[in-house]
Formats: sequence, C-alpha cells, structure tokens
Amino acid sequence: DGGITQSPKYLFRKEGQNVTLSCEQNLNHDAMYWYRQDPGQGLRLIYYSQIVNDFQKGDIAEGYSVSREKKESFPLTVTSAQKNPTAFYLCASSIGGRSSYNSPLHFGNGTRLTVT
Amino acid sequence: DQQVKQNSPSLSVQEGRISILNCDYTNSMFDYFLWYKKYPAEGPTFLISISSIKDKNEDGRFTVFLNKSAKHLSLHIVPSQPGDSAVYFCAALGRGGGTSYGKLTFGQGTILTVHP
Repeated sequence: DGGITQSPKYLFRKEGQNVTLSCEQNLNHDAMYWYRQDPGQGLRLIYYSQIVNDFQKGDIAEGYSVSREKKESFPLTVTSAQKNPTAFYLCASSIGGRSSYNSPLHFGNGTRLTVT
Repeated sequence: DQQVKQNSPSLSVQEGRISILNCDYTNSMFDYFLWYKKYPAEGPTFLISISSIKDKNEDGRFTVFLNKSAKHLSLHIVPSQPGDSAVYFCAALGRGGGTSYGKLTFGQGTILTVHP
C-alpha cells in the first residue's frame, strides 16, 4: 500500500533546540516537498526537491534545512533560527520531472510541532 | 503578496443543496488549477483540476469552473453531503523562477460545513 509517512504525528520541543521531522515515501516519486500550515494562511512552501541530491528553497525557507540523500526520504530540520516554529508541517511528493508538470501532490498526514 | 485568495473563510450549506467555493488569483502565469480537500489532522487529498485551456471540468458531484478573464475559479459540489465537510484549498500552478518545474501556490482555504 503506497503512501507518504510522516513521523511523529505530534512533536514537542523546547525553544532553542533543533528538531528533525521525518518524511518517507514508497510511491517511487522523484519530487518531494515540505509545506507549513498556519491558521488563515493556507499552505506555504518551505523546501522542495525535484531529484535526489538536489533541493531548492521555497517561499519561507529561513530557519529550516533539508537533505535528499535517498529518493524515498526528505527530512526537514527546524532550527533554533526559525522564529515561529509551532505549526502543522506537511510533506508531499509527486511524480516529478519535466514531463509531469501538473501531476498532483500526494500528502502525508502531517506532523504538529509545538515549541515552548 | 497573496497570489491565490479564497476570500470566504467558511461556508455552511444544507445537505442536498449546492456548495460553491470561490478562488481568485492574480498571477497571469498560472496555467493549471487544482482543488484539494483536507480533514482535520490529515494531509490534503487531490480532488479535481483544470487546465487554463478549459473553462469547465466535471467529475461526479464536483465541477470546477475557470474564468480566465476574471482570474476566478469556483468549485461546485452538487448535491452536498455531510461527508463533504472539510477544508477546501484552491491551488495554482505556474512555471517561473528560472525553472520549468511547476510550483504550487495555495489559497488560505475555506471550511465547508454541510448540515444534515
């Protein structure tokens, strides 16, 4: 049963600590994405990766870092430099590649991060 | 700068009636539009899409209309069912930023409540 797995579902951290959110997909998709959802602001793109070992900043990349060492995995690190880290984080994937420009995104079920 | 706007934060309709969710965009480079549905604590799921070369796309109870001159699209759900109660996100896809890869821009979302 293919899909995207985000873990954990809920995460609590103290201010000043870095935290890494996991995202794994078994859909054999090339492209992967991280979005952040805040009330009243929809989904905002943090980082995306179209292929292994390559990634690009999205609209709100400051305070975040990613890696894409394997096709299946795209972990997101929320660093202490992120000023408002408390949010719902969504990972997504798509077929990717230039021939699949409008292939829909498949989302995981998200991780709710609370930083106090 | 909000390039995709859903100006109605919420909509309430009676079961069996029509639900109309609206979305406006400002970027004329957008050429593909999608609607996603999201239940609480879950990731969004793809619902329906439309290319800018069309003005209507239908899939069962769901129809999306696109008015390019007005930069406006709408999602019609007929008949509405209580299970349709969710947050609906409009998203637009466009090339740019020096890449031919598409980048999705989401609206803020509209909470639809269908009453039995």
